[in-house]
Amino acid sequence: DQQVKQNSPSLSVQEGRISILNCDYTNSMFDYFLWYKKYPAEGPTFLISISSIKDKNEDGRFTVFLNKSAKHLSLHIVPSQPGDSAVYFCAASGGYSTLTFGKGTMLLVSP
Amino acid sequence: DVKVTQSSRYLVKRTGEKVFLECVQDMDHENMFWYRQDPGLGLRLIYFSYDVKMKEKGDIPEGYSVSREKKERFSLILESASTNQTSMYLCASSLGGAGEETQYFGPGTRLLVL
Repeated sequence: DQQVKQNSPSLSVQEGRISILNCDYTNSMFDYFLWYKKYPAEGPTFLISISSIKDKNEDGRFTVFLNKSAKHLSLHIVPSQPGDSAVYFCAASGGYSTLTFGKGTMLLVSP
Repeated sequence: DVKVTQSSRYLVKRTGEKVFLECVQDMDHENMFWYRQDPGLGLRLIYFSYDVKMKEKGDIPEGYSVSREKKERFSLILESASTNQTSMYLCASSLGGAGEETQYFGPGTRLLVL
């Protein structure tokens, strides 16, 4: 049973526009959420996180929004750049040190 | 910056061979993790460790074992490699404790079992 779901396997966006990546979770014990970015043949790199006590966290072009009642979070990238093309993983933690990952969304930003 | 290194970027092994994947982190992190990544399946946790000589099974431990003799080093062992263990293997570490769940990953080892 998938506890963290990324329902869009892929997303295509034009350079300069907004990219919105979505993630849903089912476990109400999750209280910390993260986004990772992964290029082919490399390890994931941490992008941004949010605690359940917040509903928004911003870092430069990246903003994560959390809607606890809907058990939904999203990552906004504005403006999108070709170098943002990668696979993005959503992850969640329930107070223990392990993370539960979604299956990823491949973002393609075209010039 | 956190640095997690993995002993090999690419490995080719034969079915039945014993395979060792090594991971080292330099940030004195308490927790270390081994994942495999397969297309369409995301990252799946194989084993993790909270402390030296401690290990816990993840979601898919079958066919694997681990060793953590020193805090900075976490090894993944494939006792008898099989073709279905062909995958990208990722090691990660985290500081541990509340609010310190962020994991930092190594570059990965792409293993091909023939």
